[in-house]
Amino acid sequence: DQQVKQNSPSLSVQEGRISILNCDYTNSMFDYFLWYKKYPAEGPTFLISISSIKDKNEDGRFTVFLNKSAKHLSLHIVPSQPGDSAVYFCAASGAAGGTSYGKLTFGQGTILTVHP
Amino acid sequence: EPEVTQTPSHQVTQMGQEVILRCVPISNHLYFYWYRQILGQKVEFLVSFYNNEISEKSEIFDDQFSVERPDGSNFTLKIRSTKLEDSAMYFCASKQGGDTQYFGPGTRLTVL
Repeated sequence: DQQVKQNSPSLSVQEGRISILNCDYTNSMFDYFLWYKKYPAEGPTFLISISSIKDKNEDGRFTVFLNKSAKHLSLHIVPSQPGDSAVYFCAASGAAGGTSYGKLTFGQGTILTVHP
Repeated sequence: EPEVTQTPSHQVTQMGQEVILRCVPISNHLYFYWYRQILGQKVEFLVSFYNNEISEKSEIFDDQFSVERPDGSNFTLKIRSTKLEDSAMYFCASKQGGDTQYFGPGTRLTVL
């Protein structure tokens, strides 16, 4: 099942710089997208989301961009901090607003390492 | 801040044995989910549960699996006869009614 893909297994950035994590999807029925952060031996922690009616959503240091025509989304972290080092998962859901039961389809994850 | 909790954190069992994984979702949430992540693989959807019944399930969720909400707070996943390939991290998630699911810390299931 390759409906959601994160093509970069890992990303390394310097503290203070921008981290950009990318995600592509193939299913045009997806209309809600989420980013989760995960530390080893813990569950995914919700970071930020975006509905398909928007092309940008910002929350503090985190911004998610959605390009529906390209079926691509990205997560920008500015400035990056060493505590941001974790695995980042992109996830997609089939319908927003409660009209589906909300099954999430996940990408493979990208390991982000932020060096001091 | 309310959170999803799961017990046990690690369960070791023999092949063929039954296991029950327990979750306490966030108290005012209405939709409940189980996912799993086999080592090195993606997080995969297993089942969703709403209004006291299964609303959707994946191909993985065969007759060996069942879910139950026995009271107003617990949500359980039962595997009737475990196989080696059931070894994975199992995550419970819940949501209130919007689109954001909140995950528990997971139960690591090891089948020997």
